[in-house]
Amino acid sequence: KAGVTQTPRYLIKTRGQQVTLSCSPISGHRSVSWYQQTPGQGLQFLFEYFSETQRNKGNFPGRFSGRQFSNSRSEMNVSTLELGDSALYLCASSPGTGGINQPQHFGDGTRLSIL
Amino acid sequence: GQQLNQSPQSMFIQEGEDVSMNCTSSSIFNTWLWYKQEPGEGPVLLIALYKAGELTSNGRLTAQFGITRKDSFLNISASIPSDVGIYFCAGRQAGTALIFGKGTTLSVSS
Repeated sequence: KAGVTQTPRYLIKTRGQQVTLSCSPISGHRSVSWYQQTPGQGLQFLFEYFSETQRNKGNFPGRFSGRQFSNSRSEMNVSTLELGDSALYLCASSPGTGGINQPQHFGDGTRLSIL
Repeated sequence: GQQLNQSPQSMFIQEGEDVSMNCTSSSIFNTWLWYKQEPGEGPVLLIALYKAGELTSNGRLTAQFGITRKDSFLNISASIPSDVGIYFCAGRQAGTALIFGKGTTLSVSS
């Protein structure tokens, strides 16, 4: 069974640009969550989508946004990039049904570097 | 954002030793998860716990859901070099997002 796929794996941008990251969940999973991982702050929750609707949102500025498509694939967008946005962005999927507390399975992340 | 208190921050052990790490929270959780992350990869789920007092094993790994629902423990028995990595606990209240600890970095010398 294919795991969570994130593209691209690495990305280099400059301040002020915008970026879009993509996540394909495990087949049959309808919930997708996004996290930002940095050495100082650890894993911080960005948002969760289920059936194309945002179900939960973390404490990040409005420059961070996401969406989910009807095939459960998800994208996140960061506008007006800042140096502090340099991080590993992780996507995780879960079935999303049959109990809201099912464990999430992670992709290998997109490493975003801001110059 | 809110985070769990995970300890120890790092451990340096000899191959064959047992390892214990734990997470505590000021909030009650109804799910505890333990993940392991290796360089260049995303976290991999090790054990999921859903009931207070639950004790679950996965090979040499054993985790427990604390009876107060505010803590969880992970034990690794007879460690081997491939156990090296960062171990994360994560907790969840009903209908909310997962909250992660800052991780325990495990180093194993042979």
